[in-house]
Amino acid sequence: QSVLTQPPSASGTPGQRVTISCSGSNSNIGSNTVIWLQQHPGTAPKLLIYNNNERPSGVPGRFSGSKSGTSASLTISGLQSEDEADYYCAAWDDSLSGSYVFGSGTKVTVL
Amino acid sequence: QVQLVESGGGTVQPGGSLRLSCATSGYTFASYGMHWVRQAPGKGLEWVAVISYDGGRIHYADSAKDRFTISRDNTKSTLFLQMNSLRPEDTAVYYCANTYFYDRSGYGASYWGQGTLVTVSS
Repeated sequence: QSVLTQPPSASGTPGQRVTISCSGSNSNIGSNTVIWLQQHPGTAPKLLIYNNNERPSGVPGRFSGSKSGTSASLTISGLQSEDEADYYCAAWDDSLSGSYVFGSGTKVTVL
Repeated sequence: QVQLVESGGGTVQPGGSLRLSCATSGYTFASYGMHWVRQAPGKGLEWVAVISYDGGRIHYADSAKDRFTISRDNTKSTLFLQMNSLRPEDTAVYYCANTYFYDRSGYGASYWGQGTLVTVSS
């Protein structure tokens, strides 16, 4: 059972906008910044978004992130076939002795 | 460019031990924290442990406490994970990740290695 809640799946046609939600609590998203990862089958996760809404160099501009209160979201504007992958959110959790928590992952399908 | 390369995975019997390594290059290893994260076959990402840039702060997931030890050698730019008393449920691809990009907690996972597979089976 993941600490951060994501929908198991999302889909869209090429060019559409897709938004993935990530719901947490005061001790994680509410207190710390969020990252988003992309993982294609059989490959390592890749950082898409850090500090809630910043993109590392080389990540396409169609990926954007936002955070409000204890929830965060990743938006893909202008969905492309290569965006079909699993997406995870993550954040530090200040409860107990501290831990890094991940969402359960969202499979994005390009129809 | 930043590179992280894991090694040391393999097949081990239940109750056995393994030591994973993560060799890094392309950035100042001694300035950043490091994570171990695992992924069981067909499952999502599960955090294992994190160590601060100087080794002074270490945190473990409950599943790793008392069995796994994270450590680092800043002179060799290498991260380690000593895994003892291994169980079948520890079977997973183990990834290392650094904390290169800004994160309010200081622990945001940034660049990731390609992973090393650990299989615990008799």
